[in-house]
Amino acid sequence: ELKVEQNPLFLSMQEGKNYTIYCNYSTTSDRLYWYRQDPGKSLESLFVLLSNGAVKQEGRLMASLDTKARLSTLHITAAVHDLSATYFCAVPTNSGYALNFGKGTSLLVTP
Amino acid sequence: EAGVAQSPRYKIIEKRQSVAFWCNPISGHATLYWYQQILGQGPKLLIQFQNNGVVDDSQLPKDRFSAERLKGVDSTLKIQPAKLEDSAVYLCASSSGTGIGEQFFGPGTRLTVL
Repeated sequence: ELKVEQNPLFLSMQEGKNYTIYCNYSTTSDRLYWYRQDPGKSLESLFVLLSNGAVKQEGRLMASLDTKARLSTLHITAAVHDLSATYFCAVPTNSGYALNFGKGTSLLVTP
Repeated sequence: EAGVAQSPRYKIIEKRQSVAFWCNPISGHATLYWYQQILGQGPKLLIQFQNNGVVDDSQLPKDRFSAERLKGVDSTLKIQPAKLEDSAVYLCASSSGTGIGEQFFGPGTRLTVL
């Protein structure tokens, strides 16, 4: 059974600080997805990582994928309040494109 | 381009009642998914359709849940009878079924079972 584990599950950080969220998964996969969810809202696609060593950046967020270590990271640089949300990583199931999600990392950025 | 549409947005029912949710995917998307998201957890796949055929329904509680996508476009998810533990947000997502497999999610239906 494919397991996707994120840590930390909760993160409170000050504005301007840097931090990294980790996503480990238990079986081989050559792709990984990151989503953002604001309270009471649906999921918004952030990054699609398609190969070993893939790195993508958007604003203050940068995601990377190491398929050999079965690890993805989401790095936050100089956090701002607008980044407060829950971040999910997800890996395709064995049947194809359906996704197995981690439990999510709830991020709160405080002044 | 219009996104994934879902209705209703909210539903409150009593246990043992029935409920149905509707989803209209992004135009041209062959693959449609239904996920269940319980408060504080990540979404969990219930069923995946490719056009009007079922690809994966291994996690669908078939004694009470059913889903269909008769014409390969809209889909309906039904719960009959509902239990307290079915309280969750039901998310519909669609993808083109090819390429990078990126899924686009609808706004969800928040179900409360009393």
